[in-house]
Amino acid sequence: EPEVTQTPSHQVTQMGQEVILRCVPISNHLYFYWYRQILGQKVEFLVSFYNNEISEKSEIFDDQFSVERPDGSNFTLKIRSTKLEDSAMYFCASRREEGTGELFFGEGSRLTVL
Amino acid sequence: DAKTTQPTSMDCAEGRAANLPCNHSTISGNEYVYWYRQIHSQGPQYIIHGLKNNETNEMASLIITEDRKSSTLILPHATLRDTAVYYCIVRVETGANSKLTFGKGITLSVRP
Repeated sequence: EPEVTQTPSHQVTQMGQEVILRCVPISNHLYFYWYRQILGQKVEFLVSFYNNEISEKSEIFDDQFSVERPDGSNFTLKIRSTKLEDSAMYFCASRREEGTGELFFGEGSRLTVL
Repeated sequence: DAKTTQPTSMDCAEGRAANLPCNHSTISGNEYVYWYRQIHSQGPQYIIHGLKNNETNEMASLIITEDRKSSTLILPHATLRDTAVYYCIVRVETGANSKLTFGKGITLSVRP
C-alpha cells in the first residue's frame, strides 16, 4: 500500500540552526500539507501546498518557515533559525484530489531543539 | 469549519463494540464528518467519513443523525490495538484549502 514517508525520523539540533525535514508524498497525490504536534498538545495545521505554491498557511507558519517541492517527488519543510519552541513532531500529509479525498499522513519527524 | 465536541476519554472491553460520540451542532450543509485516529505519537490515520448517510468500511461504521448535529463512530469489535486518540472533524470540501483542523479528540482505552 502506498504511503507517505518522512525523513529523518528524529533530528536533534542547536537553537539557531537551520533544519530541513523531508517528505515523499504518495506519487499521484496533488495536495500536500505540513502539520506539527508539540508534545501533549493538539495536531496543528502549518501549511498546505498545491500546484507549486502555498494555498494556505497558519499563524504558526511565519517567515522562519518555508516549503518547497524541488523535484516533483520530495516535499520539504525548512525552518531557517530554530527556536526551542519549534521542538515537536512534524507530520507531512498528502491528498490525491479535490473534494472528499482523505489525507494520508506520514509517521512524522521528531525535532528536538536544544 | 464547524467545531466539534467529544468526551475526553472512554474505555471498553476487548471484543466489545466501542461507540464514540461526537457533537457538531453548528455543522453546515456542505460539511463532511471525518474521523481520524492517532495511535501513540504516530501520524493520524484516516478511518471514515460521511455527509448524510451512514457509512461502513472495513475499519468502522459511522452513524450520522438525521439532523446531522451529531454522529457516532462504531468500532464493532475493539482490540487492544484500537487504543488511540480518535478525532471527529468536520470539514468543507473546497479544493486546495480543504485542511483538517484537529481538536483534542477522545482517548479510547481498550482493556483486556
